[in-house]
Amino acid sequence: NAGVTQTPKFRVLKTGQSMTLLCAQDMNHEYMYWYRQDPGMGLRLIHYSVGEGTTAKGEVPDGYNVSRLKKQNFLLGLESAAPSQTSVYFCVARGGEMNTEAFFGQGTRLTVV
Amino acid sequence: QKEVEQDPGPLSVPEGAIVSLNCTYSNSAFQYFMWYRQYSRKGPELLMYTYSSGNKEDGRFTAQVDKSSKYISLFIRDSQPSDSATYLCAFHYGGATNKLIFGTGTLLAVQP
Repeated sequence: NAGVTQTPKFRVLKTGQSMTLLCAQDMNHEYMYWYRQDPGMGLRLIHYSVGEGTTAKGEVPDGYNVSRLKKQNFLLGLESAAPSQTSVYFCVARGGEMNTEAFFGQGTRLTVV
Repeated sequence: QKEVEQDPGPLSVPEGAIVSLNCTYSNSAFQYFMWYRQYSRKGPELLMYTYSSGNKEDGRFTAQVDKSSKYISLFIRDSQPSDSATYLCAFHYGGATNKLIFGTGTLLAVQP
């Protein structure tokens, strides 16, 4: 059982480049989230989705876009990468409204130079 | 005021010590209280969660919630080097609001 799988695990981008981070879950969970984790800042919510075809902004959405065309996939796009987007990105899946356990992917380490 | 406050540490203890990790929060709407453990270069994983005030025990781990003081704690008894990790408190509103709010994490090192 793979759980939550993120692709890629590592990436280096140049300023201004774009990229898409892919998250796939095999648990049939409704809710999916993208967080970024930075030293001293903790986990900050970028965007989230409560079901296929839905997305919503989190705490730090600027510079990112997301799509949830299929229930099992949640894509995070960086339109024009900036050094401030250097971070570790985590995708999270959660079962439903009352289901508190959140399953994390292994993370994507992104460096923007 | 931050919604969640957590001492970042690092906290270094000898093997076998009792560890106390704490978070304070300001939002009385939080209904679920969780602790996640994150090993270096890995994603966090759920350790314990509680819904109400009081204690919940699971092996060497005890989670404590005091809603009146807006304070939660995680106690680790007989700490082991394998407990060395970052511990994050997390909160959820319940109901239709789906956000999970995390503390910044406390780095724990258990020395053999």
